[in-house]
Amino acid sequence: NAGVTQTPKFQVLKTGQSMTLQCAQDMNHNSMYWYRQDPGMGLRLIYYSASEGTTDKGEVPNGYNVSRLNKREFSLRLESAAPSQTSVYFCASSRGDSPSYEQYFGPGTRLTVT
Amino acid sequence: AQRVTQPEKLLSVFKGAPVELKCNYSYSGSPELFWYVQYSRQRLQLLLRHISRESIKGFTADLNKGETSFHLKKPFAQEEDSAMYYCALNWGGYQKVTFGTGTKLQVIP
Repeated sequence: NAGVTQTPKFQVLKTGQSMTLQCAQDMNHNSMYWYRQDPGMGLRLIYYSASEGTTDKGEVPNGYNVSRLNKREFSLRLESAAPSQTSVYFCASSRGDSPSYEQYFGPGTRLTVT
Repeated sequence: AQRVTQPEKLLSVFKGAPVELKCNYSYSGSPELFWYVQYSRQRLQLLLRHISRESIKGFTADLNKGETSFHLKKPFAQEEDSAMYYCALNWGGYQKVTFGTGTKLQVIP
């Protein structure tokens, strides 16, 4: 099992450009998440999907959109990138049917917006 | 509102010394707490969860509801423990998680 995979690993965008970060999991998990990791800020939840067909905002959703394409895939879209969106983005998944289940993380995407 | 506080950004200890990484939380419900670790060039992974009451890689963490704390402890630090550690709180119907800002543990040889 690959677990949680993310593409791309690195990306450089110019201000105003758009892009989609892809995430897939092969663990048959119900819940999926997108986080951003910034120095001194830790991990902050952008959006999550409790189950296929549902998405909800997290702590820092502005400037992002998400799509839960199916149970396996959860994508994050930046419509008009801004330098403030320079960060490392992590996708995660969990069984989601109990609070005692942990999250499994992808390797991250390092995004730089110039 | 729920919150997870890790007061130390960086904790430096000598090899063989005891380690305590602090985590305090605020949540009105019944907390589910976790410690995650991120080693250099590796993905974030679960270290331990309070409900399991287990010791992983020599680390333990006890939930203290009175002090709303979930400190991570290890009696003798090893160089391979150097990493970023995050405390996390699951709340609000399981799918919601709040992470602390993380503590970088540096074990000096």
